[in-house]
Amino acid sequence: AQKITQTQPGMFVQEKEAVTLDCTYDTSDPSYGLFWYKQPSSGEMIFLIYQGSYDQQNATEGRYSLNFQKARKSANLVISASQLGDSAMYFCAMREGRGNFNKFYFGSGTKLNVKP
Amino acid sequence: GAVVSQHPSRVICKSGTSVKIECRSLDFQATTMFWYRQFPKQSLMLMATSNEGSKATYEQGVEKDKFLINHASLTLSTLTVTSAHPEDSSFYICSARGDRANYEQYFGPGTRLTVT
Repeated sequence: AQKITQTQPGMFVQEKEAVTLDCTYDTSDPSYGLFWYKQPSSGEMIFLIYQGSYDQQNATEGRYSLNFQKARKSANLVISASQLGDSAMYFCAMREGRGNFNKFYFGSGTKLNVKP
Repeated sequence: GAVVSQHPSRVICKSGTSVKIECRSLDFQATTMFWYRQFPKQSLMLMATSNEGSKATYEQGVEKDKFLINHASLTLSTLTVTSAHPEDSSFYICSARGDRANYEQYFGPGTRLTVT
């Protein structure tokens, strides 16, 4: 089974609108972390936001928020007030395990296009 | 935030030659580094986990003798693609695990390898 599933290969959003990028995950490990990364055309991976499995509140970082629904195993990224510079690939990732034995699993990504 | 560099950013080599890619953590010590491979419009695929002073742990299906990983110091890991072939052409990204509680990974800018 896929560890991380992103079902939206591509998304369009109008500038200044909000957009939600979907991510579901699969793990039996009680301790895990969920990350979202942005990858512009330059290729660098830019960390956006983190949610720990024991965190009670949804994570927020500026215009980014993570809608964490533990029972449904979903960790959707919400970008508010989209900007043209938000156009990029977005990857959801899960860190499973602790210490030196943890691994990251990445989803297939969602390409976001922000229209002016 | 933590900075990870990769060198070179782009490399073109002839089939049959070997290529070394360096990954450096510039402002922190990284006991664990990771090497990923990314094909166009696809997700990151973990190739191996590199721990300082010990042998790398390779993911299933990754040839150890072809992709040599050395993590000789707390700030440097190298990936050597030996006897490169055109099918080895890809985007290679390294990351270094930070010491924050969320075990975040800090990514390098990537290396575009083209084998002719």
